[in-house]
Amino acid sequence: DTEVTQTPKHLVMGMTNKKSLKCEQHMGHRAMYWYKQKAKKPPELMFVYSYEKLSINESVPSRFSPECPNSSLLNLHLHALQPEDSALYLCASSPQGGDYGYTFGSGTRLTVV
Amino acid sequence: KNQVEQSPQSLIILEGKNCTLQCNYTVSPFSNLRWYKQDTGRGPVSLTIMTFSENTKSNGRYTATLDADTKQSSLHITASQLSDSASYICVVIRGNQGGKLIFGQGTELSVKP
Repeated sequence: DTEVTQTPKHLVMGMTNKKSLKCEQHMGHRAMYWYKQKAKKPPELMFVYSYEKLSINESVPSRFSPECPNSSLLNLHLHALQPEDSALYLCASSPQGGDYGYTFGSGTRLTVV
Repeated sequence: KNQVEQSPQSLIILEGKNCTLQCNYTVSPFSNLRWYKQDTGRGPVSLTIMTFSENTKSNGRYTATLDADTKQSSLHITASQLSDSASYICVVIRGNQGGKLIFGQGTELSVKP
């Protein structure tokens, strides 16, 4: 299995909703990442987990809450989002160090209404 | 400053024609350089990965070059197909940065029949 699987593919949520994005990989990678990507822009790093511990938080608002239950799973919990948070959310994983084998998921298209 | 610049910003070509996309970088220390293809609303897919010592690498109709002295890379697409229409992103990995990717802004390629 050489894939990073993200669910759901599309999500529409209201500003008062609570939802979660899920990411799963079975490549034995020990680093996992969340990115946010706006249209026609490159992905922006949000969080990095290394060996299931949060190692980087790129000053992301607290309405985004990451969680890494185990080495194969990564969640992004969403609460009280704003319309400007609408974007493509990408998960990625890599062997520790990230130099090789960096793999992106297909993304979740999030729309906040 | 660690930057990756791509040109052109957008490109329109006819099906069957060849094209070349450019990438200049000022990232240091350098670990490796990747070219990704990203379809609209989907995650980036890796085309090539090149280390400091590699000058050329091919993946089917895609051929990437790297000149580490001038810090330039190119992606050549041969005999373009309609399905090549996508954004092509040049990404440089910083050495010793635990997976820190420096993204270019991408080149939007449109292949017309």
